Amino acid sequence: SQTIHQWPATLVQPVGSPLSLECTVEGTSNPNLYWYRQAAGRGLQLLFYSVGIGQISSEVPQNLSASRPQDRQFILSSKKLLLSDSGFYLCAWSVEGSRYGYTFGSGTRLTVV
Amino acid sequence: AQSVTQLGSHVSVSEGALVLLRCNYSSSVPPYLFWYVQYPNQGLQLLLKYTSAATLVKGINGFEAEFKKSETSFHLTKPSAHMRDAAEYFCAVTRSTGNQFYFGTGTSLTVIP
Repeated sequence: SQTIHQWPATLVQPVGSPLSLECTVEGTSNPNLYWYRQAAGRGLQLLFYSVGIGQISSEVPQNLSASRPQDRQFILSSKKLLLSDSGFYLCAWSVEGSRYGYTFGSGTRLTVV
Repeated sequence: AQSVTQLGSHVSVSEGALVLLRCNYSSSVPPYLFWYVQYPNQGLQLLLKYTSAATLVKGINGFEAEFKKSETSFHLTKPSAHMRDAAEYFCAVTRSTGNQFYFGTGTSLTVIP
């Protein structure tokens, strides 16, 4: 069966520090991968999605970047965190076409102090 | 373009009462529709999905939703609320050839004992 792993679960980082969040998927090949952010009291904001290795689409201009170095690995990064980067980050995967739905990871709570 | 609107960011019901969470969609092509649930500090879990088969869809935890094309709605219901149903609920739409979901802003359900 397919599983998705996301870590760390919680992270407290100072302003200006770098960020690296990792997401990996098991049990499937060539998944579509997604990074979402939930700010406090707000809905889901799509940050990046990827349909293949090295293929990244950015939905919102921001302080973050994403990379897909391997088929089932998706990384969210920042060189210098801002206070506004605080939030709950969710990784998700789907098969091509998304008609079967997304499967989400358990999320990372990032607090920038 | 696709989008969903969730009416009511907060809904409160008494334990044992009917749960009704509203979702209206906009889509230029036949949509696929989904409901997800999110418990505090967790990822999203698929409750149910409509993919052009039966219009009344049954999901997990006793929830169901009915696709009504004439009303462009996909409301989520449960006959009798339990305390454990307290969570955030998200409606989402995609299309058969798309790679992206479009999420609503979410409805927070409170169950009063």
